[in-house]
Amino acid sequence: AQKVTQAQTEISVVEKEDVTLDCVYETRDTTYYLFWYKQPPSGELVFLIRRNSFDEQNEISGRYSWNFQKSTSSFNFTITASQVVDSAVYFCALSLNYGGSQGNLIFGKGTKLSVKP
Amino acid sequence: DTGVSQDPRHKITKRGQNVTFRCDPISEHNRLYWYRQTLGQGPEFLTYFQNEAQLEKSRLLSDRFSAERPKGSFSTLEIQRTEQGDSAMYLCASSLDRVQPQHFGDGTRLSIL
Repeated sequence: AQKVTQAQTEISVVEKEDVTLDCVYETRDTTYYLFWYKQPPSGELVFLIRRNSFDEQNEISGRYSWNFQKSTSSFNFTITASQVVDSAVYFCALSLNYGGSQGNLIFGKGTKLSVKP
Repeated sequence: DTGVSQDPRHKITKRGQNVTFRCDPISEHNRLYWYRQTLGQGPEFLTYFQNEAQLEKSRLLSDRFSAERPKGSFSTLEIQRTEQGDSAMYLCASSLDRVQPQHFGDGTRLSIL
């Protein structure tokens, strides 16, 4: 069975601190995609990144960076120099990538990040 | 690119009533997904369409739920004889294909009195 675990329910930091959100996934499939989405208080889910299971290169986009390690089945997300606007719930998600898969996303329970001024 | 649109944003109804939600996906997207999100949880998959064909339903989708995408464009999700447990945010997402990122609408929040 497939599963995504986000062990951190809530994290609170002060502006300009760095923060890492953890994501551990389970799947027996060898081909899959991993995603991160942001859900601000307004409610809409905003796509942040997609990573193919065959691409373990880390990625940096501005203040955001992602660390994908297949050996530990983890796909962690780091925000550098956090800002108040980063306050949101962040979801990690998994989708399978084989011929018969639906492509639906399997989400973790999310991590609520609060960045205080 | 106008994004995924959902209507209404909020729906309050009495237990036992029927409700219908609408989703307009991004115009060129073939795949359309419905998810349900309850408080403090991540979204859970309900069903999806490839063009007008409904190809998969989750076990969460009881026989009181029905979804359609009649011409491969907009989709509707109907809940008959609503129950307290149906209270949730119903999210619609669309994508170009199976592997492309899904883009979500703002959701419809359903409250059952």
